[in-house]
Amino acid sequence: AQSVAQPEDQVNVAEGNPLTVKCTYSVSGNPYLFWYVQYPNRGLQFLLKYITGDNLVKGSYGFEAEFNKSQTSFHLKKPSALVSDSALYFCAVRDRRNTDKLIFGTGTRLQVFP
Amino acid sequence: GAVVSQHPSRVICKSGTSVKIECRSLDFQATTMFWYRQFPKQSLMLMATSNEGSKATYEQGVEKDKFLINHASLTLSTLTVTSAHPEDSSFYICSACDSQYSNQPQHFGDGTRLSIL
Repeated sequence: AQSVAQPEDQVNVAEGNPLTVKCTYSVSGNPYLFWYVQYPNRGLQFLLKYITGDNLVKGSYGFEAEFNKSQTSFHLKKPSALVSDSALYFCAVRDRRNTDKLIFGTGTRLQVFP
Repeated sequence: GAVVSQHPSRVICKSGTSVKIECRSLDFQATTMFWYRQFPKQSLMLMATSNEGSKATYEQGVEKDKFLINHASLTLSTLTVTSAHPEDSSFYICSACDSQYSNQPQHFGDGTRLSIL
């Protein structure tokens, strides 16, 4: 079965420090991977995706993610965190059996302290 | 970028009322739309996949007669919660994608907070 795991419910980081939000996946075949961010009482906003090509993917708001096939990971990173980055982050993988359906992780709450 | 509009953003109504939520793709044609439900501090739970011009595909455990989905055009899908009860109170989110491009992300509406008294 295809799945996504986000092992951390919450990540705390000081403003200006680098941040990492972890995601691992389990899929058959080559994965399509996505990161989304959700602010309170809002829908999800797309941050970045990995389809093929370079393992380091750059996205919106200075975020990037590294696809690691051997470790089946797709961790989200940012070199310098902002207080405004505080939100709920979801990793997702596209279900290749149904090319449009997304399978979401449980989400990680990022808290950036001033 | 692609925009999905969801309306209303918040609904408060009495038990037994039916509530309709609209999801529109504003600048692209969405052959497929998705309806999710999100409980506090939890992930999104896919309820159903809505395909233009055909019946929706419901996930296991989701009552078809309770959550009616209509996808009458390439830009509009509606979710109707029939005879809503307090246990139906939740945050409902729709998303849409242009199925011509299978590697494109889903675009999400801003959600509807439904509160049944």
